[in-house]
Amino acid sequence: RKEVEQDPGPFNVPEGATVAFNCTYSNSASQSFFWYRQDCRKEPKLLMSVYSSGNEDGRFTAQLNRASQYISLLIRDSKLSDSATYLCVVALGDSNYQLIWGAGTKLIIKP
Amino acid sequence: EAGVTQSPTHLIKTRGQQATLRCSPISGHTSVYWYQQALGLGLQFLLWYDEGEERNRGNFPPRFSGRQFPNYSSELNVNALELEDSALYLCASSLAGGASEQFFGPGTRLTVL
Repeated sequence: RKEVEQDPGPFNVPEGATVAFNCTYSNSASQSFFWYRQDCRKEPKLLMSVYSSGNEDGRFTAQLNRASQYISLLIRDSKLSDSATYLCVVALGDSNYQLIWGAGTKLIIKP
Repeated sequence: EAGVTQSPTHLIKTRGQQATLRCSPISGHTSVYWYQQALGLGLQFLLWYDEGEERNRGNFPPRFSGRQFPNYSSELNVNALELEDSALYLCASSLAGGASEQFFGPGTRLTVL
């Protein structure tokens, strides 16, 4: 089982729709969670961190469910510019901690 | 503020050769990370350097190595290149190690013929 799993998609969504992605992680000791965005042939960029209480940034909402070991990303009122690959990232908390990256979910927003 | 820079942008080598990739972190960042991203695949963690020391490495053979210099810039060396080493190599830096937000450079696209 992969440490961080995402549905690779692609998710084809009409402009203005709401779309949600889930990401599951296997290590219950995971302590930090992030969503990154990667445009085609570009480098990943941090979209948002995911806090235990959930957090919102404009049209984007991130949630963490520790009991079920998954995080989610909700995009409301999707824009054409939201088309990208969304990477789920999990960090362990031990002394050698590093970020574990999911393979990404591809989102295509259609006009 | 300048972002993470990487050189070269593209690199073409043949099997068995050696490749050297370079990365300069954001000013003030002490941690540098290297990732490999093969076409259509996710990021695979290669190496993490902090304060000149290798802190962790991913599941890659020893022919992947690197170092971090006193100015925190870093070099990734790949020896005895194989065709499957063809990928985008991304460097990232962060203020502190481990789980801190990472800022990525544009990458070096390595092609092995």
